[in-house]
Amino acid sequence: SAVISQKPSRDICQRGTSLTIQCQVDSQVTMMFWYRQQPGQSLTLIATANQGSEATYESGFVIDKFPISRPNLTFSTLTVSNMSPEDSSIYLCSVTTYRGLYGYTFGSGTRLTVV
Amino acid sequence: AQTVTQSQPEMSVQEAETVTLSCTYDTSESDYYLFWYKQPPSRQMILVIRQEAYKQQNATENRFSVNFQKAAKSFSLKISDSQLGDAAMYFCAYRSGDRDDKIIFGKGTRLHILP
Repeated sequence: SAVISQKPSRDICQRGTSLTIQCQVDSQVTMMFWYRQQPGQSLTLIATANQGSEATYESGFVIDKFPISRPNLTFSTLTVSNMSPEDSSIYLCSVTTYRGLYGYTFGSGTRLTVV
Repeated sequence: AQTVTQSQPEMSVQEAETVTLSCTYDTSESDYYLFWYKQPPSRQMILVIRQEAYKQQNATENRFSVNFQKAAKSFSLKISDSQLGDAAMYFCAYRSGDRDDKIIFGKGTRLHILP
């Protein structure tokens, strides 16, 4: 299965600033996703990162707050913009091939704390 | 919309004993996929086992097995010979067979292993 390098692993940021999280995969994958996991909670899908086009956002998430890029089949970024303490969460990248029928691989996550 | 329910927020089991984690789901589809993921304190999401809805035979992976009851929409995970390394959050997840490629997670069950 694919190996994901997600950076940074953690960060502490000032409110009102932005952070860009990178997801690098060691092989080409068809689908890339971004999740948020608030403390002690389950994973919530933010968006599907589409290669060469705008990401597909889930209800409650908007492009202005969480801009996503996916320039090729192995790389994507998620930016958390104009951060507030409520954005403190773990953010995870996930990838799959074969449309996910055989499972999804996850990065190790970025723990974000906004102060 | 599909939903995944894990009714046990926390469970404990004695080392070397067997434990069963519950999961139910709601769907009107006949073709779908179910997964159990493990998330240890390292945050890494690890695929434990997957089940295809059209297969009646229950999936098994070493000490992990499922009891898939399609009519009851139940997908429980049995861990045999529990080990200290099994301590983690366990998430049940559902993927539609044909509608889209994203997965829906339950809220998770935190499993404690007692030495």
